[in-house]
Amino acid sequence: EVQLVESGGGLVKPGGSLRLSCAASGFTFSNTWMNWVRQASGKGLEWVGRIKRKIDGGTIDYAAPVKGRFTISRDDSKNTLYLQMNSLKTEDTAVYYCTTENWGSVSWGRGTLVTVSS
Amino acid sequence: DVVMTQSPLSLPVTLGQPASISCRSSQSLVYSDGNTYLNWFQQRPGQSPRRLIYKVSNRDSGVPDRFSGSGSGTDFTLKISRVEAEDVGFYYCMQATHWPQTFGQGTKVEIK
Repeated sequence: EVQLVESGGGLVKPGGSLRLSCAASGFTFSNTWMNWVRQASGKGLEWVGRIKRKIDGGTIDYAAPVKGRFTISRDDSKNTLYLQMNSLKTEDTAVYYCTTENWGSVSWGRGTLVTVSS
Repeated sequence: DVVMTQSPLSLPVTLGQPASISCRSSQSLVYSDGNTYLNWFQQRPGQSPRRLIYKVSNRDSGVPDRFSGSGSGTDFTLKISRVEAEDVGFYYCMQATHWPQTFGQGTKVEIK
């Protein structure tokens, strides 16, 4: 069974940084493209970014609102996906989900809440 | 970016009655390989989203057959043949044909 467990969320001041992790199990992580998707409270879903598997070049793509501030990475030896978030803004406040990617998000974790507030 | 527009945004339904949600894209979702990468997700209260339908009309494993997807090009529909109490929540369409992938605004399904 696919399991995705996000961690690392919390309260951070505007301009601050946070690193999210997503521990994956139940599937071949190194063979899977992965996404980060976020959802502000009471709002819809917003794709944040994607990382391809290494044999596909490990290419990383970002949504415009986070490009230049967020960095996605993966450690296939640890079956873990990361999201480094810098220069955080109040509008980045959301639940962040990691998802498996196959022409859209397939399996989802429970999410981790990031709150950016002074 | 491709804009996904859902209607209605709120859908009160009677238990046992059918429900239908429309999703329209600002561009055709037919990919160069001939596939149409249109997905539907369900998000129950307090839960993570769950994919119900992929490539317009294919149900994911474990999804009840009362859920069905249809459509082509830019117009798509999710139908619930007989709404049950566990179907309450938000439903989102999402396109993965064009980069970046984009979601509809969501439709809230509630029981009358």
